[in-house]
Amino acid sequence: QQPVQSPQAVILREGEDAVINCSSSKALYSVHWYRQKHGEAPVFLMILLKGGEQKGHEKISASFNEKKQQSSLYLTASQLSYSGTYFCGTTEIGTGTASKLTFGTGTRLQVTL
Amino acid sequence: KAGVTQTPRYLIKTRGQQVTLSCSPISGHRSVSWYQQTPGQGLQFLFEYFSETQRNKGNFPGRFSGRQFSNSRSEMNVSTLELGDSALYLCASRAQGAGELFFGEGSRLTVL
Repeated sequence: QQPVQSPQAVILREGEDAVINCSSSKALYSVHWYRQKHGEAPVFLMILLKGGEQKGHEKISASFNEKKQQSSLYLTASQLSYSGTYFCGTTEIGTGTASKLTFGTGTRLQVTL
Repeated sequence: KAGVTQTPRYLIKTRGQQVTLSCSPISGHRSVSWYQQTPGQGLQFLFEYFSETQRNKGNFPGRFSGRQFSNSRSEMNVSTLELGDSALYLCASRAQGAGELFFGEGSRLTVL
């Protein structure tokens, strides 16, 4: 089963904040976040590892709740360039490779003026 | 540094045919993985190759196969194409020990 992301879609005005959630039924080792703009390749945002700290830089950060097998991506003071579809990708404990990701259902984010 | 290059970018095939897609990873990356992206199923892992060996395989039928060459370039092949194989096929490379996947722009396959 693929991780479930919520919300499925969100529309923001420039400068507003957003939270995207990723929830899995599996025991996770890592959570990876990617953003894909229309017609383009997915681009890596960050990785969170089991037992690791919250990651982030500037206005995009994320957390990983190991007990709940959930991760959240925080976008603050959104910019037009943040528009795209966000995917979480997960690896399970014991799978051993960051290349075999189980991607979530995706969250479409649109930032408007 | 050149990114991941996939060829062809677009192709149209008919049911029953076969197709071969090519991927050139970032120089120095020995891990190459393939994903299928469709509106209904999203991004799904096909397989990963490392140093010419298949290291992991997803839940796809045997019609989907791949290989990796000594220069880390990879190909994937789909035989006996079905309508449901229409998708964007993404290749990604990764440096050893790193977690970040670098994706190519994909090969968009349409099966008629």
